[in-house]
Amino acid sequence: RKEVEQDPGPFNVPEGATVAFNCTYSNSASQSFFWYRQDCRKEPKLLMSVYSSGNEDGRFTAQLNRASQYISLLIRDSKLSDSATYLCVVNPDTGRRALTFGSGTRLQVQP
Amino acid sequence: EPEVTQTPSHQVTQMGQEVILRCVPISNHLYFYWYRQILGQKVEFLVSFYNNEISEKSEIFDDQFSVERPDGSNFTLKIRSTKLEDSAMYFCASAGTSGLGEQFFGPGTRLTVL
Repeated sequence: RKEVEQDPGPFNVPEGATVAFNCTYSNSASQSFFWYRQDCRKEPKLLMSVYSSGNEDGRFTAQLNRASQYISLLIRDSKLSDSATYLCVVNPDTGRRALTFGSGTRLQVQP
Repeated sequence: EPEVTQTPSHQVTQMGQEVILRCVPISNHLYFYWYRQILGQKVEFLVSFYNNEISEKSEIFDDQFSVERPDGSNFTLKIRSTKLEDSAMYFCASAGTSGLGEQFFGPGTRLTVL
C-alpha cells in the first residue's frame, strides 16, 4: 500500500463548482497533515494544515478522519486560479520531520 | 515576506560530473531539507539537516549525495557523479524552531543530466 494515496484526476470543473479531493495514508502513527498546492513546474506551497477537528480557510475546508486514515479537501466556488495540482502531505512519525507526499490530484477549473 | 532561494534555476551537466545545488533558507529557520521531483512523479524526501548534521535521510540519498552548510546562510546539495536518473527538480525547504510545522520550499533547481 502506498504511504499516501490520492486520486490523480484530472478533475475538470466549471467555475463556481464545489470539488472534493480525498487522500488516504497508511501509517496510523502519522502526526501532521497538510494540503499543499503545486502549480506546473513550481514549488509546493502550503494551502492549509489539517487538524483533527477539521478546519476552514475561506473557500477551503479540510477534514481528517484518524480512524479511517483519511483526509479530505473541499473547495467551494472554484475560481480559474484554483487550477493546480493538490498534494496531500503527511508527516508520518513524531520522530521524523520528513514529509511524505501523495502523487497529487490535478484540478482544472474551466470558464 | 522571507523566502527560500535556490541557485541555479536550471543546471545542465554531463553524466559523471559533479554538481552543487545551492539554497539559502529562511534566516531564522533551524531545519533544512532537500526533496526531489522527477518529472511527472511525486515529491520525494532526500535528506534533512539540523544542528550542523544530517538528522534523517532516505534510501535515495546514497554515497553519491552529500549536504553541507558551509556558512551561516547557505545550504548545499552535492551530487558527486551524476547519473541520467538524477535528472529531476530539486527543492530545498526550511522550517522553524520545531520542524514539525510548515516547511517552506524554494523555487527549485531543474537538473538535467545528459
